[in-house]
Amino acid sequence: QSVLTQPPSVSGAPGQRVTISCTGSSSNIGAGYDVHWYQQLPGTAPKLLIYGNGHRPSGVPDRFSGSKSGTSASLAITGLQAEDEADYYCHSYDSSLSSLVVFGGGTKLTVL
Amino acid sequence: QVLLVQSGAEVKKPGASVKVSCQASGYTFSSHGISWVRQAPGQGLEWMGWISAYNGKTNYAQKLQGRVTMTTDTSTSTAYMELRSLRSDDTAVYYCGRGGNPRNDAFDIWGQGTMVTVSS
Repeated sequence: QSVLTQPPSVSGAPGQRVTISCTGSSSNIGAGYDVHWYQQLPGTAPKLLIYGNGHRPSGVPDRFSGSKSGTSASLAITGLQAEDEADYYCHSYDSSLSSLVVFGGGTKLTVL
Repeated sequence: QVLLVQSGAEVKKPGASVKVSCQASGYTFSSHGISWVRQAPGQGLEWMGWISAYNGKTNYAQKLQGRVTMTTDTSTSTAYMELRSLRSDDTAVYYCGRGGNPRNDAFDIWGQGTMVTVSS
């Protein structure tokens, strides 16, 4: 059971918009800590997609955007493309004692 | 080009130890921390801990306290993660990721991963 909750899967047709939610609590997202997002293509290492809630690293298309509100965050992907099919993970800091850094359980995006 | 290059795959017996390396290039090693993250087959990401490459300060996930040690060698810009008393559920791909302060920073560069298999 992950500290940050993501839907196991989402899907969309090419060109459509999808969102992936990341729900936390008052000890992580709700405490004001930043949320970051990663994309993991099959058999590869994760790649930073969004940092600091809504900032894109150089080279990441502006089709990807992030937002945060209260105890949740969201990743939005517009103009869905076949190469977006991957696993997506959210990441934040947690002030509890068990683990300082927490990830969501991951969301598998399928492009129909 | 900023890179993290990890050591090769390992096969260990239960109860043994493994030490994985992560060599950095293309940036000032001591300016950033290194986190270690593992991923069991078909599972999600699990944070193991963080080390400051500046002063060697560490923070470990509570569930691994006592079994994991993270170190750095600034002369070779290399970070190490040693995991002891290996069990079958330690079988995973182990990644290093560059990040400064775990309170705020994302992991902007990742190593390619090291597969560690624990099997009798």
